[in-house]
Amino acid sequence: DSGVTQTPKHLITATGQRVTLRCSPRSGDLSVYWYQQSLDQGLQFLIQYYNGEERAKGNILERFSAQQFPDLHSELNLSSLELGDSALYFCASSVWSAGELFFGEGSRLTVL
Amino acid sequence: AQSVTQLDSQVPVFEEAPVELRCNYSSSVSVYLFWYVQYPNQGLQLLLKYLSGSTLVESINGFEAEFNKSQTSFHLRKPSVHISDTAEYFCAVSERDDKIIFGKGTRLHILP
Repeated sequence: DSGVTQTPKHLITATGQRVTLRCSPRSGDLSVYWYQQSLDQGLQFLIQYYNGEERAKGNILERFSAQQFPDLHSELNLSSLELGDSALYFCASSVWSAGELFFGEGSRLTVL
Repeated sequence: AQSVTQLDSQVPVFEEAPVELRCNYSSSVSVYLFWYVQYPNQGLQLLLKYLSGSTLVESINGFEAEFNKSQTSFHLRKPSVHISDTAEYFCAVSERDDKIIFGKGTRLHILP
């Protein structure tokens, strides 16, 4: 158990819909990262937050947004969903920026 | 911007044989380097890391990796693999206090 909790574990929805993925980092970790894992693209960095502030942005689509709340949990919002958004979305946390990452078990999103 | 290349998407190897998983990175500054392992249906977990100091780093389960600055490589090796090493292995790089970028992963298949 990494200490990082992601919900939901599985989500099935339709194209055009909006979903929210939630992540609770390890106790004491200030950094939260979001990654998208798909068979063809591998593990793609989406966005990073540090103590509530956006720290770095990767290949995150404009249809996607995220935030980190004062209690340090984070949410990833995916809207206007397309078939190609089907993937495993991982959250990871670390004590400091660019430190060892602790990954959650992921949220598997299926868009039909 | 940093990037990571894992040339081998899959590596088959017989049990008890040695294995090397290759990783090359590109960066214009000093970096931190990591290997993560993903067992089936699980999140990623840190295998080993190079932050500074000795260029040879080891994990508790027999893997080792050597940082080679001149060749910008961080290859992962194990002298004798076990069936339990079956997993996907990800190399990652961070430009110190910056986002962590992952390679596309290498699936290690252990043959009986």
